[in-house]
Order: sequence, then structure tokens, then C-alpha cells
Amino acid sequence: QKEVEQDPGPLSVPEGAIVSLNCTYSNSAFQYFMWYRQYSRKGPELLMYTYSSGNKEDGRFTAQVDKSSKYISLFIRDSQPSDSATYLCAMSAGNMLTFGGGTRLMVKP
Amino acid sequence: DGGITQSPKYLFRKEGQNVTLSCEQNLNHDAMYWYRQDPGQGLRLIYYSQIVNDFQKGDIAEGYSVSREKKESFPLTVTSAQKNPTAFYLCASSYDEGMETQYFGPGTRLLVL
Repeated sequence: QKEVEQDPGPLSVPEGAIVSLNCTYSNSAFQYFMWYRQYSRKGPELLMYTYSSGNKEDGRFTAQVDKSSKYISLFIRDSQPSDSATYLCAMSAGNMLTFGGGTRLMVKP
Repeated sequence: DGGITQSPKYLFRKEGQNVTLSCEQNLNHDAMYWYRQDPGQGLRLIYYSQIVNDFQKGDIAEGYSVSREKKESFPLTVTSAQKNPTAFYLCASSYDEGMETQYFGPGTRLLVL
């Protein structure tokens, strides 16, 4: 079993939909959680960073961490075609990052 | 303009050849990392460096080598011992090895002829 699990998708939604992306993990020592967005053939860019449990909001993006369930989510409101990309979750216990495999999202006009 | 640059964007390797991928950062970050990304898979750590003249193996270091002679530069050599080198290679940096937020370069796609 992988340390971080992420549904590879693809996830296809119409423009304007609310998107929910998720990761589960097994290492209870993880306390730093990140979401990266990666466009095709580009490097990942940091979207959201959260420490421990709780919610964090930034514009149309909301990151949620539930440490008791070992489950993190990224919500995208009013999704746009420009949100079409692969979303990678990453987490750390304070040293190296462990990445999920990524979920490919397609937002159709 | 601060950031991480990688070159070349595409690289072709012949059988038995060593090739070197360049990574430069002007963010004044102490730590630098090399990852390999294969289709449908997450990023796997090859090597990382916390300070100049020091580096450690990651999860998949076999067939790769690195150097860290300058704070700004962390080149990766893919040696002929790496039998399956075709992948997307990503360089990243962070303020220090304990800092969780890593920033990535644009990547180099390595293909075998």
C-alpha cells in the first residue's frame, strides 16, 4: 500500500462546477500538507499549504485537512477551463515530502 | 526575477552515454532536490542537498549522480548504469531541508534514442 493514495482520474466536470480532489494517507506523523497544480509538460506550482488540521481558503480554492481520518481535500469553486491540470497532494512530517500520484482534472467549457 | 531554471527542456540519450541535466536557482535557497516523474506516478526523490558540498541519496539514487559545488547549482548526471532513464526530471528548492514548501523548476524530459 502506498503511503499517500490519490485517485488518478481523469475527473471531467463542466465549467462552473465545484470540484473536490482528495488524498488519503497512512503515516500519522504527517503534519504539513500541500497541493500542487501541474500543467502538462510543466513543473508543479504550489497552490495551497496547510499545517495540521483545519481549513484554509485562497480565492476559489479551499484546502481541508482531517488528521483523525488521515484525509485531505482540495475544493475548487466556479471551476474554469484554465483549472484543467493534474493536481498533486504532498505531505511531510517535517523533512522530506511524500507525493500522491496526482489527479488529472478536465474542466469543459 | 527569482526562480528555478532547468536546461535543456528536452534531452536525448544514446545507449551507454552519460548525460547531465542542469538546475539553477536564484532564490537563495539552501536545499535543492531532484525528482523523477513517470506517467501516472507521483514524484520520486533521486537526490537532495542541504548545503554546498553535501548531498544525500533519495529513494531511487541508483544510476544517478549529483554535485553541489555552488549554492545556486545542483546538476544531475544520468549515467549509463540507469537502464530506464526515460522520464520527466524535476528540480526543486526550499529554504532548508526542514522547510516543507518546495518550489519546482519547469522540468527536463529525457528520452532514449
